[in-house]
Amino acid sequence: GAVVSQHPSRVICKSGTSVKIECRSLDFQATTMFWYRQFPKKSLMLMATSNEGSKATYEQGVEKDKFLINHASLTLSTLTVTSAHPEDSSFYICSAREDRRSFSGNTIYFGEGSWLTVV
Amino acid sequence: GESVGLHLPTLSVQEGDNSIINCAYSNSASDYFIWYKQESGKGPQFIIDIRSNMDKRQGQRVTVLLNKTVKHLSLQIAATQPGDSAVYFCAETAYNNNDMRFGAGTRLTVKP
Repeated sequence: GAVVSQHPSRVICKSGTSVKIECRSLDFQATTMFWYRQFPKKSLMLMATSNEGSKATYEQGVEKDKFLINHASLTLSTLTVTSAHPEDSSFYICSAREDRRSFSGNTIYFGEGSWLTVV
Repeated sequence: GESVGLHLPTLSVQEGDNSIINCAYSNSASDYFIWYKQESGKGPQFIIDIRSNMDKRQGQRVTVLLNKTVKHLSLQIAATQPGDSAVYFCAETAYNNNDMRFGAGTRLTVKP
């Protein structure tokens, strides 16, 4: 099946630094990718929709200057957490919508997630 | 819709029994629904999907039922196994829409 690769799976960074998380669709093209944040024992919270070749669409309450999203190609989106603080520590998950014209719908596949710890 | 801040409801079943996980969705305009399974520390894994022009779809050991009248979705797992223990999320979206929203999720625990 379709695979979405997320890297790094775990990262620890110091407060004030920036960290980049990559999301790649390995065997399909994805014009649209999504970034979620998940707190322990909670549901996934949509942060932003990443659109190839254009600006990301952020959900209400998500700071676009803090969570920079770049979707430079049909297989790669990146999330950069800038000036990270301990409260940014979380599980970040990306997903990619497979580009295909199919009556059955455009299936969305998820990456394995990235654990960010800010110390 | 999203349910950030709520604790996950739980369902505990005996191995071999059937499991039914329920989900209420919020947007009447949603026409595409997906069930995901998430194991601890991992990303969600696609299980099965259904379009709004259907009310039932079957996969291997799983069945999804859709009731558009009451905006309700259910996932049935037959002969539940310990490996089915995970958190299950329903997600709603509109075909060709960029938005996908997740329900609160249900933690399924299978007792041997």
